[in-house]
Amino acid sequence: AQSVSQHNHHVILSEAASLELGCNYSYGGTVNLFWYVQYPGQHLQLLLKYFSGDPLVKGIKGFEAEFIKSKFSFNLRKPSVQWSDTAEYFCAVNARDSNYQLIWGAGTKLIIKP
Amino acid sequence: DSGVTQTPKHLITATGQRVTLRCSPRSGDLSVYWYQQSLDQGLQFLIQYYNGEERAKGNILERFSAQQFPDLHSELNLSSLELGDSALYFCASSASRDRDTQYFGPGTRLTVL
Repeated sequence: AQSVSQHNHHVILSEAASLELGCNYSYGGTVNLFWYVQYPGQHLQLLLKYFSGDPLVKGIKGFEAEFIKSKFSFNLRKPSVQWSDTAEYFCAVNARDSNYQLIWGAGTKLIIKP
Repeated sequence: DSGVTQTPKHLITATGQRVTLRCSPRSGDLSVYWYQQSLDQGLQFLIQYYNGEERAKGNILERFSAQQFPDLHSELNLSSLELGDSALYFCASSASRDRDTQYFGPGTRLTVL
């Protein structure tokens, strides 16, 4: 069965620090990869996605993620975080033959100290 | 704003009751997905519809059911509610040309007392 693991449940950083959130998945076939963000009290928003092509994908708000197929990883990065990045971040995967249903990681709560 | 709407925003009810959650997808989207987000289980896929037909089932309990109507809105029915059903229920939709990308509604927070 497919699964997604996010390494850190809680991350606390100061403003301007660099961010990397880990995401690993288990599935032997071809996958699509996503990062979603959930700001406090709001709905899930798509940050970025990888379907194919350049393994380094850029998303909204200065976020990027790199797909490393050999490591089954899709880590999210941002060079300099802001207080407004405080949110919960979810990695998700769907397998190309899965009827598009998303399998989710447990989420990482990111707190940025001003 | 993703264009996906859900009503109601909040719902408080008692154990044993039945509730209906409603979702309107983005204009033109044929696919609708339902997810449950709870503190202990995280985000879980429940069920998917495409143009009125059920396409995939996830961890949906037998007490729960859903349907998608001809106007493409969807309803999730939860019956014989238990305390553990308290959660945030999200609906998402996707376009036919990009069914891999899902857009989420604001969710319905269900509290079962």
